Amino acid sequence: QVQLVESGGDLVKPGGSLRLSCEATGLTFSRSYMSWIRQAPGKGLEWISYITDSSRYRYHADSVKGRFTISRDNAKNSVFLQMNSLRVEDTGVYYCAYGPVPCGGDCYYIANWGQGTPVTVSS
Amino acid sequence: SYVLTQPPSVSVAPGKTARITCEENNIGRKSVHWHQQKPGQAPVLVVYDDSDRPSGIPERFSGSNSGNTATLTISRVEAGDEADYYCQVWDSGSDQVVFGGGTKLTVL
Repeated sequence: QVQLVESGGDLVKPGGSLRLSCEATGLTFSRSYMSWIRQAPGKGLEWISYITDSSRYRYHADSVKGRFTISRDNAKNSVFLQMNSLRVEDTGVYYCAYGPVPCGGDCYYIANWGQGTPVTVSS
Repeated sequence: SYVLTQPPSVSVAPGKTARITCEENNIGRKSVHWHQQKPGQAPVLVVYDDSDRPSGIPERFSGSNSGNTATLTISRVEAGDEADYYCQVWDSGSDQVVFGGGTKLTVL
């Protein structure tokens, strides 16, 4: 089955940087779109970024555009999130996810989730 | 862009049927997916493409979608179904994944 294992979460000061990693098994990684989704403490889910299989296209939510960058290494079955200029409001659990997975026409869904890695931005 | 509206909370007695809604104008024209998040755990996909279930998800979980409302229905509710439930769609206009605000299901 699909397994996604995140790492890299930490306590960092405002303005600092962090790089999250996610290693995937159980799927044909080089043909898979991958996402990062976060959840602030006590809040809902917020999609923040996804990358296509060949890295040709990368999309970021407006809340992180210009500060966060998603990338991948298909040889290592891994996806990354480089987070710069971190803010207090970036605090939360960051989930690596398999998807968006196409299901016909305008249908795309998040199929699998990692266990998440916590990021705390505080002085 | 899409704003998916869910009720903050739904309560149901064990053995009864729970219905969780996700509203947006003409959402019936979209494919809607549902994720379950139990306390302290990562989310899990329970319904995709309005009404399909991934392998391993009980038949008690079903979905429907028409007009302005998509609905996740959980039959014969069990204590273990207590969780937050999120609807999700794909916004083709902006190429983004969109989540609803989430609904906390309480089993009385």
